[in-house]
Amino acid sequence: NAGVTQTPKFQVLKTGQSMTLQCAQDMNHNSMYWYRQDPGMGLRLIYYSASEGTTDKGEVPNGYNVSRLNKREFSLRLESAAPSQTSVYFCASFSRERGSTEAFFGQGTRLTVV
Amino acid sequence: AQSVSQHNHHVILSEAASLELGCNYSYGGTVNLFWYVQYPGQHLQLLLKYFSGDPLVKGIKGFEAEFIKSKFSFNLRKPSVQWSDTAEYFCAVTAVNTGGFKTIFGAGTRLFVKA
Repeated sequence: NAGVTQTPKFQVLKTGQSMTLQCAQDMNHNSMYWYRQDPGMGLRLIYYSASEGTTDKGEVPNGYNVSRLNKREFSLRLESAAPSQTSVYFCASFSRERGSTEAFFGQGTRLTVV
Repeated sequence: AQSVSQHNHHVILSEAASLELGCNYSYGGTVNLFWYVQYPGQHLQLLLKYFSGDPLVKGIKGFEAEFIKSKFSFNLRKPSVQWSDTAEYFCAVTAVNTGGFKTIFGAGTRLFVKA
């Protein structure tokens, strides 16, 4: 049981380049999220998808787009990378049982924009 | 809008000392509350969670947390820390509403335990 799988693990981009971060979960969860983690700022929510076919903005959506391709996959796209987007990105899927939620995180993608 | 505030950004303790990390949130509705831990070089893992019932919840590795609704707080405690508890700790709040489940994290507290 792989849980949440993110690719790639590391990436270096030049300013202005584009790329897509992939995330897949095999736990049949409806909700999936993208966060970025920066020193001293914790995890900030970029976008989330409460269910297949829906996406919503989080705290810091500017410069990003997402696609909920199907129930398993939720991708994050940077159309024109900027140095301010240098960060560690985490995908998470959320279980929802008996009114309780719990997040399961991927291993993270360390992105550097030069 | 919901928000989460963690009081301490860095904490240094000696082994066997007691730990309490503060967490306050702002949201007037129903919430689920969490503490996650991130060991160096790893992803976040769930320590414990509260969603209903007994406000004192116990998690893995001897951690516990108490939900005090009147204070909008969910502080994490451990009576005696170990060197292996060195990690970053994140408090998180899920606002439970009909539109979806949005989870917001605090800025994190970096704990260093001296052997």
